[in-house]
Amino acid sequence: GAVVSQHPSRVICKSGTSVKIECRSLDFQATTMFWYRQFPKKSLMLMATSNEGSKATYEQGVEKDKFLINHASLTLSTLTVTSAHPEDSSFYICSARDQLGGLTEAFFGQGTRLTVV
Amino acid sequence: LAKTTQPISMDSYEGQEVNITCSHNNIATNDYITWYQQFPSQGPRFIIQGYKTKVTNEVASLFIPADRKSSTLSLPRVSLSDTAVYYCLVGAFYGQNFVFGPGTRLSVLP
Repeated sequence: GAVVSQHPSRVICKSGTSVKIECRSLDFQATTMFWYRQFPKKSLMLMATSNEGSKATYEQGVEKDKFLINHASLTLSTLTVTSAHPEDSSFYICSARDQLGGLTEAFFGQGTRLTVV
Repeated sequence: LAKTTQPISMDSYEGQEVNITCSHNNIATNDYITWYQQFPSQGPRFIIQGYKTKVTNEVASLFIPADRKSSTLSLPRVSLSDTAVYYCLVGAFYGQNFVFGPGTRLSVLP
């Protein structure tokens, strides 16, 4: 199946700093990418939908100024956690759908474990 | 978006067949049913997708009755490595994002 690569797989940062997470579709063009966060033993929570070349659509309760999403190309979307705090520590996962290729399933990155100390 | 309901957890033994049923009473005409598997600290992995009747691939089968208000993921002869959380998702072919329910935590025992 299609491959979505997420980087880094884990990151530790100090409180107040910003962290950028990259999500790349390696063998297909993703017009739309999705960002999720997941707390321990909980399900994935959709944060935002990222469309190439336009502003992301955020889910209710997600601060767009804190979680900056950029989808500058058909193969790359980034999530920047600005002024991170310990409560932002979580597992962040991106996904993409190969809509141009006619596939209906979404493919997920391996996730990024963010720890804010 | 169609809401899904699954058992929170299931236990099984190695070598057994496991069936996980998902209810989606409000499924729309153009919605597909997709199942994902997730191991700890990994992103979800696609297992199988279907629209109606039965779909089979190398790892699982998906049974969908005529009214499409439920679906059953069947894992033949599970092994310890099948211990994971399984998510049933319902969504349209294009455009719609995937909203995850709580999933089913499957524990395979020796």
